[in-house]
Amino acid sequence: GEDVEQSLFLSVREGDSSVINCTYTDSSSTYLYWYKQEPGAGLQLLTYIFSNMDMKQDQRLTVLLNKKDKHLSLRIADTQTGDSAIYFCAKGAFSGGYNKLIFGAGTRLAVHP
Amino acid sequence: ETGVTQTPRHLVMGMTNKKSLKCEQHLGHNAMYWYKQSAKKPLELMFVYSLEERVENNSVPSRFSPECPNSSHLFLHLHTLQPEDSALYLCASSQAPVDTEAFFGQGTRLTVV
Repeated sequence: GEDVEQSLFLSVREGDSSVINCTYTDSSSTYLYWYKQEPGAGLQLLTYIFSNMDMKQDQRLTVLLNKKDKHLSLRIADTQTGDSAIYFCAKGAFSGGYNKLIFGAGTRLAVHP
Repeated sequence: ETGVTQTPRHLVMGMTNKKSLKCEQHLGHNAMYWYKQSAKKPLELMFVYSLEERVENNSVPSRFSPECPNSSHLFLHLHTLQPEDSALYLCASSQAPVDTEAFFGQGTRLTVV
């Protein structure tokens, strides 16, 4: 199967770190992605990690990949109210000449004061 | 601004109407995608065009008809839709075949009445 699973909701206090988790069932992916969707908007690519990497850091964002457990996480340091959004995990696999993305259902992050 | 523009942003149509969604990308990409985002469901890939040829059609009902006249434009023609087709329709583009990043438009919120 090609399932990507995420918890649906996460609530954190402003200034704390947020950790959003994702698991997937198919290990043939080349890249794994995190997208952000704010209300009424499309998907914004936040970051991605190549499947032969364990970690990638980009400013406040840290992506961890555990290939053995097929587990991907996104850590947002010093979470702000502007980080409130839905975060989608996706896996990509090259197939038929393009990168086929399979998305999770999304995790709604709520940041409260 | 992601370089992918969708129009209209909102559309309300009756079940007997015919309408079209438009997507334009200014990124020089050669692959374009239609996704459907329904409430509480993962994004569903509908169609993929790579180098102006349709390379994926994910068992989408024939009341949805895509058209890709050139690598910058993608249309989704709609006719005799059902209320369950109400959703956010997202367009994306990438650079095949080594397309690590897919960029999304803001989406068209479709309501079928």
